[in-house]
Amino acid sequence: DADVTQTPRNRITKTGKRIMLECSQTKGHDRMYWYRQDPGLGLRLIYYSFDVKDINKGEISDGYSVSRQAQAKFSLSLESAIPNQTALYFCATSDPAVAGVKQETQYFGPGTRLLVL
Amino acid sequence: ELKVEQNPLFLSMQEGKNYTIYCNYSTTSDRLYWYRQDPGKSLESLFVLLSNGAVKQEGRLMASLDTKARLSTLHITAAVHDLSATYFCAVGISYNNNDMRFGAGTRLTVKP
Repeated sequence: DADVTQTPRNRITKTGKRIMLECSQTKGHDRMYWYRQDPGLGLRLIYYSFDVKDINKGEISDGYSVSRQAQAKFSLSLESAIPNQTALYFCATSDPAVAGVKQETQYFGPGTRLLVL
Repeated sequence: ELKVEQNPLFLSMQEGKNYTIYCNYSTTSDRLYWYRQDPGKSLESLFVLLSNGAVKQEGRLMASLDTKARLSTLHITAAVHDLSATYFCAVGISYNNNDMRFGAGTRLTVKP
């Protein structure tokens, strides 16, 4: 079974709808992240959470919100979806204790492809 | 603001050839990652480079870091078709938040 899972894997929605993307992990990592990937732009950080009580904005948080329900679960919400939020969304986890804070590596989920019409 | 530039963005090469992908970044950082992404798949960590002069090798891929030049390279030796993928570099901003900035990616196609 995959260590980092995302649901749904594909989603089509309409402008103005509220949607939630979910991420679960079995790696036991405290740190979780949400990124979006657009063609030609690499990945950009939306939000990150270092534990259940710690949530921080990333590079492009406007239009998004998150919820850290438990160590293993981190959800991303689009309160009112708009077409330019069409993208591939990735969840990732990390743990500085695995290889030391300097070598902290992020482990990515399979991605959710979102289309906003 | 940290900017990360990769080049080339697209690379088509023949099997058996060598090539280098470049990753330049605009502000000081001593933590750089290389990731691989296969079409329709997630990102897989390849290398973590932490210090000036660091060099890591795995199979036909070798990554290096020059923090003074703010440059990392990913060198491909004797390319094979299985290396076809998109390669991203990511530069760490701060240990406090493990924030990273990704390059746009280099889409590599290795032809027989």
